[in-house]
Amino acid sequence: NAGVTQTPKFQVLKTGQSMTLQCAQDMNHEYMSWYRQDPGMGLRLIHYSVGAGITDQGEVPNGYNVSRSTTEDFPLRLLSAAPSQTSVYFCASSPLAGPSYEQYFGPGTRLTVT
Amino acid sequence: AQSVTQLGSHVSVSEGALVLLRCNYSSSVPPYLFWYVQYPNQGLQLLLKYTTGATLVKGINGFEAEFKKSETSFHLTKPSAHMSDAAEYFCAASWTSGSRLTFGEGTQLTVNP
Repeated sequence: NAGVTQTPKFQVLKTGQSMTLQCAQDMNHEYMSWYRQDPGMGLRLIHYSVGAGITDQGEVPNGYNVSRSTTEDFPLRLLSAAPSQTSVYFCASSPLAGPSYEQYFGPGTRLTVT
Repeated sequence: AQSVTQLGSHVSVSEGALVLLRCNYSSSVPPYLFWYVQYPNQGLQLLLKYTTGATLVKGINGFEAEFKKSETSFHLTKPSAHMSDAAEYFCAASWTSGSRLTFGEGTQLTVNP
């Protein structure tokens, strides 16, 4: 199993550009989520999904869209990039939606918005 | 609001010394609790978790943590630090029936030879 994969590893955008961060998992996990990591703030939840076709907002959803058309994929879209979205983005998955289940994290995408 | 606080953004220990990383949560309802480790330029890896049952939890790489409800704490310890333990450590909690995690700010552990 490849686990949770994320592409690209690095990305530089100009303010106002849009892009999609890709996330895929091959473990048949129902639950997937996106976090952003900023220095001194830990990780904050952006959006999550409890299954194909079902998504919901997390703590910091503004400026981001998600969709979940398949179990495997959970892309994160930046509609109009802003410097405040400069961050490291992590995708995670777990077998089911439940606090006792371990979440598996991808290697991250480092995004810089200039 | 429910939150997680890690005391000390940077902790430095000598190789072979005790590692103690502190984590407290703020809520009258005890959450599920987790410790994750992040090595440079990598994703997060689960060290250990507390859900129910025994309050002393053992994890990978010789780490353990004790849940103390009266102190709303879940401190991470390791008796003897190794150079390979140098990393960033995150405490996280979940209060919901789903999988939403609330993370602490992180603690960067440095191990000196």
